[in-house]
Amino acid sequence: EVQLVESGGGLVQPGGSLRLSCAVSGFTVSSNYMSWVRQAPGTGLEWVSVIYSDGRTYYSDSVKGRFTISRDDSKNTLYLQMNSLRTEDTAVYYCARRITVFHGATRSVYFDYWGQGTLVTVSS
Amino acid sequence: QSVLTQPPSVSAAPGQKVTISCSGSSSNIGNNPVSWYQQLPGTAPKLLIYENNKRPSGIPDRFSGSNSGTSATLGITGLQTGDEADYYCGTWDSSLSDVVFGGGTKLTVL
Repeated sequence: EVQLVESGGGLVQPGGSLRLSCAVSGFTVSSNYMSWVRQAPGTGLEWVSVIYSDGRTYYSDSVKGRFTISRDDSKNTLYLQMNSLRTEDTAVYYCARRITVFHGATRSVYFDYWGQGTLVTVSS
Repeated sequence: QSVLTQPPSVSAAPGQKVTISCSGSSSNIGNNPVSWYQQLPGTAPKLLIYENNKRPSGIPDRFSGSNSGTSATLGITGLQTGDEADYYCGTWDSSLSDVVFGGGTKLTVL
């Protein structure tokens, strides 16, 4: 059975830091594309970051330079280090497995497994 | 402001059919397959449809997806009260080089 379990959320002041973890069972993190997706209160989904199986990382413009995605292959765990946090980073953060399939010039991208989410609140 | 546009809400009676639209542009829906997610209250999103019209294992055939040009549609037949949820569309945007989502549609089963 596939399980993704996030942890590490909480209340932090603006400018502070937090590290989120996502422990995965049922598949190998290092063999897959893994993402963080967030959802601010009462709003929709926003893609945050992805780490490819070859280790390349990408970020949305809203978090670039402040957040770092990484993984620990020995623990089969995904991380998101969040620095210089802003009030607008307040959201539930989900880890998810990202599937990418190329069909000629088109790219199919979707998320097939999701964690339960962890709430990050940035407030003074 | 979401890149993909969905109606904020739709409603229908139990047993009826409902459709949810997702409008985009040539850089996203017009050229890349769409996925749909169901988010029941207080839970994580769940993949419902991928690559426009494919259903993951365990998703009933009451749920279907289609697209035409720069728009996609999620269809739900035989509505049940348990279908009350927020529904999101998503796809790759070739211009932004990012995954983009719609703002979500709240389905109410009256």
